[in-house]
Amino acid sequence: DGGITQSPKYLFRKEGQNVTLSCEQNLNHDAMYWYRQDPGQGLRLIYYSQIVNDFQKGDIAEGYSVSREKKESFPLTVTSAQKNPTAFYLCASTPGQPFTDTQYFGPGTRLTVL
Amino acid sequence: AQSVTQPDIHITVSEGASLELRCNYSYGATPYLFWYVQSPGQGLQLLLKYFSGDTLVQGIKGFEAEFKRSQSSFNLRKPSVHWSDAAEYFCAVGPYMEYGNKLVFGAGTILRVKS
Repeated sequence: DGGITQSPKYLFRKEGQNVTLSCEQNLNHDAMYWYRQDPGQGLRLIYYSQIVNDFQKGDIAEGYSVSREKKESFPLTVTSAQKNPTAFYLCASTPGQPFTDTQYFGPGTRLTVL
Repeated sequence: AQSVTQPDIHITVSEGASLELRCNYSYGATPYLFWYVQSPGQGLQLLLKYFSGDTLVQGIKGFEAEFKRSQSSFNLRKPSVHWSDAAEYFCAVGPYMEYGNKLVFGAGTILRVKS
């Protein structure tokens, strides 16, 4: 079955550590996205990528970094510069036009800072 | 300014009762409109979407939504709620030029179903 996988499901980070969240899709979608979800705030866009080797900042990119070396993969690194990283992180992809086409979401990664 | 508003943070309905979840937005033209559902600890799943044509849209799981341009609303409805509908529901609208042609998600409405 095609879909989006995110790993790990739960991640714990110590102060000052960088951590990388994995996102893989086998849907052959061109565009991929990373969102952050906090209670009562909906989803906020961190980064998105329309094609391989290209990505754009979203609304809350500070303290995060991404890469898009392969069409299937869009990993997100949460750096030590992100002061409040505890949140639920969702990866998504779209087959066609970004933001006007249906977004397909992964199951999410819950990051907790210890 | 808030671009997408879901006025109800929580809604509780009895199983078998009807449901309406509200979504209001500010947008200059006809936007792309989406409703997504999220079960606890899971990703989001598309229920339905609208961008043109018939203003009453049918979705999965028996849900429907109506686009009302004059009221800038896209409310989600279901005639008879099942216990499995308990989840969080998000309205999304876009693309917004002032946000770099991106979607904006509402803050979500948590639906509780009582037996």
